[in-house]
Amino acid sequence: NAGVTQTPKFRILKIGQSMTLQCTQDMNHNYMYWYRQDPGMGLKLIYYSVGAGITDKGEVPNGYNVSRSTTEDFPLRLELAAPSQTSVYFCASKGEINYGYTFGSGTRLTVV
Amino acid sequence: AQSVTQLGSHVSVSEGALVLLRCNYSSSVPPYLFWYVQYPNQGLQLLLKYTSAATLVKGINGFEAEFKKSETSFHLTKPSAHMSDAAEYFCAVSEGQAGTALIFGKGTTLSVSS
Repeated sequence: NAGVTQTPKFRILKIGQSMTLQCTQDMNHNYMYWYRQDPGMGLKLIYYSVGAGITDKGEVPNGYNVSRSTTEDFPLRLELAAPSQTSVYFCASKGEINYGYTFGSGTRLTVV
Repeated sequence: AQSVTQLGSHVSVSEGALVLLRCNYSSSVPPYLFWYVQYPNQGLQLLLKYTSAATLVKGINGFEAEFKKSETSFHLTKPSAHMSDAAEYFCAVSEGQAGTALIFGKGTTLSVSS
């Protein structure tokens, strides 16, 4: 099993550009999450999804959008990149029964 | 609302010394608690988790944590630090309900000197 796969691993964007961070899981997990990690701040929840077609905002959703058309995929969209979105982004998923959260390896995004 | 407080953003120990990383939580329902470790430029690795079974939880790499409801704490310990333990450690809480997101503390960086 690949677990949770995030692409790309690194990206540099110019201010105002847009991009999509991809997240795919192959564990048939219903629950998926996007976090951003900034130095000294821990991980903050951006958006989450409890199943295909259902998404909701987390603590820091401004400037981001998500969709969940399939169980496997949970892409995160940045429409107008800003320097404040420079961060490391982690995608995670969780199944119904156990309380294990599986994290992807992260995407390091720099906006210049 | 849930929250996690990690006391001490940076902890330094000598090799062979006791490691103690502190975590206090706030939750309106019985919590599920987690410790993750992150090595430089890597992702998150689960060290251990408490899910309402035994209050003393043993994890990987010799780490353990004790859930103390009366103190709302879940401190992480290791009897003898190793150089390879140098990393950032995150405590996290969830409400235990299916689908509830993890809420993370700000992290504690552990340095180990020889």
